[in-house]
Amino acid sequence: EIVLTQSPGTLSLSPGERATLSCRASQSVSSSYLAWYQQKPGQAPRLLIYGASSRATGIPDRFSGSGSGTDFTLTISRLEPEDFAVYYCQQYGSSPRWTFGQGTKVEIK
Amino acid sequence: EVQLVESGGVVVQPGGSLRLSCAASGFTFDDYTMHWVRQAPGKGLEWVSLISWDGGSTYYADSVKGRFTISRDNSKNSLYLQMNSLRTEDTALYYCAKNAIAVAVYWYFDLWGRGTLVTVSS
Repeated sequence: EIVLTQSPGTLSLSPGERATLSCRASQSVSSSYLAWYQQKPGQAPRLLIYGASSRATGIPDRFSGSGSGTDFTLTISRLEPEDFAVYYCQQYGSSPRWTFGQGTKVEIK
Repeated sequence: EVQLVESGGVVVQPGGSLRLSCAASGFTFDDYTMHWVRQAPGKGLEWVSLISWDGGSTYYADSVKGRFTISRDNSKNSLYLQMNSLRTEDTALYYCAKNAIAVAVYWYFDLWGRGTLVTVSS
């Protein structure tokens, strides 16, 4: 089973700042089958990025994903008030074992 | 409207049983693999189970294997999770989620419900 480790656990930033979130896999993620989700309190997760770098439908272009192999990054270029949330990475595509990272909370500084 | 709506979560005693349901609408349900994912209070996301679009394939996380059974009724656009021998560690918000790609299994999730809360406590 691939273990995903996200860092940092919490990111304290101000609106307008750039956020960089990391997701590291315990073994190579095949074909960059890595997704990112956003979850706000009391809401279901929302798909942001799939295939490591493709934005889902309706996701603003301030969200971008990058990486391959074992190291992946989610970048929010300029934080908007609605972007303060918890972000999870997920690996898929290699076996019937989907795993998530433990999450990174982006909070208002 | 494209949506998933879960129901059936209640408070149940350890060792008890429960059946969760997920009603789908707004998309061709029988084209998509469906999943259950859970989130314990204050914790992260844990994949629980999947069933293929035709019901022919099912998979389970090791933590629930042998205790939970996933099923679907494509005529009713509904997904189910039968939960037996419940433990306190099964306490969580249970989400159903839709596979992003039709007639495929190993993909990400592009639609989630709002979840139903299962509490296992004496």
